[in-house]
Amino acid sequence: KNQVEQSPQSLIILEGKNCTLQCNYTVSPFSNLRWYKQDTGRGPVSLTIMTFSENTKSNGRYTATLDADTKQSSLHITASQLSDSASYICVVSEGGKLIFGQGTTLQVKP
Amino acid sequence: ETGVTQTPRHLVMGMTNKKSLKCEQHLGHNAMYWYKQSAKKPLELMFVYNFKEQTENNSVPSRFSPECPNSSHLFLHLHTLQPEDSALYLCASSQRGLAGGYNEQFFGPGTRLTVL
Repeated sequence: KNQVEQSPQSLIILEGKNCTLQCNYTVSPFSNLRWYKQDTGRGPVSLTIMTFSENTKSNGRYTATLDADTKQSSLHITASQLSDSASYICVVSEGGKLIFGQGTTLQVKP
Repeated sequence: ETGVTQTPRHLVMGMTNKKSLKCEQHLGHNAMYWYKQSAKKPLELMFVYNFKEQTENNSVPSRFSPECPNSSHLFLHLHTLQPEDSALYLCASSQRGLAGGYNEQFFGPGTRLTVL
């Protein structure tokens, strides 16, 4: 069983709407949590990184939250744009290793 | 682009062919990685090189043979692959910390490999 689970697996929203992606993890010990965006045919690009003591981190219209007690993170996208269509990958650092989630595929429609 | 380039971007090969994937990073990093990304599955770490030395091999079949001649270049030599090896192969680089651990990794665009 993967130690990083993302939901939903895929999501379709209309342009301009908000959405929230979820990441639950069982990784321990926990060092940090990253959200990556991966456009089709491209490599992943880092959006945010949060350490144990951080609850929220923003990058433009992307806001990530972290609850280290419940081992949950979310990525909130505000006022979605067509260019937000991509896969979003949650990555948890376990000591010296990275554990990847399977990703959420987001499609933004006009 | 993120400073990590990969060639070719697309590759179709038969099971008896021999081919190589190339990765080059222009970020001055000291660690490089090969990942396999299959549809609907998490990224799978294949190999890690730290200062040209292989530090991790995650039980990858011997039909995949990595080579790291220097800190900026990484190759993945392929021979007698199987159709299930078809996937996106991603290269990444990072600055490895003194105490170990993975600092932020920067990914290349990947090579889309199809094995017939």
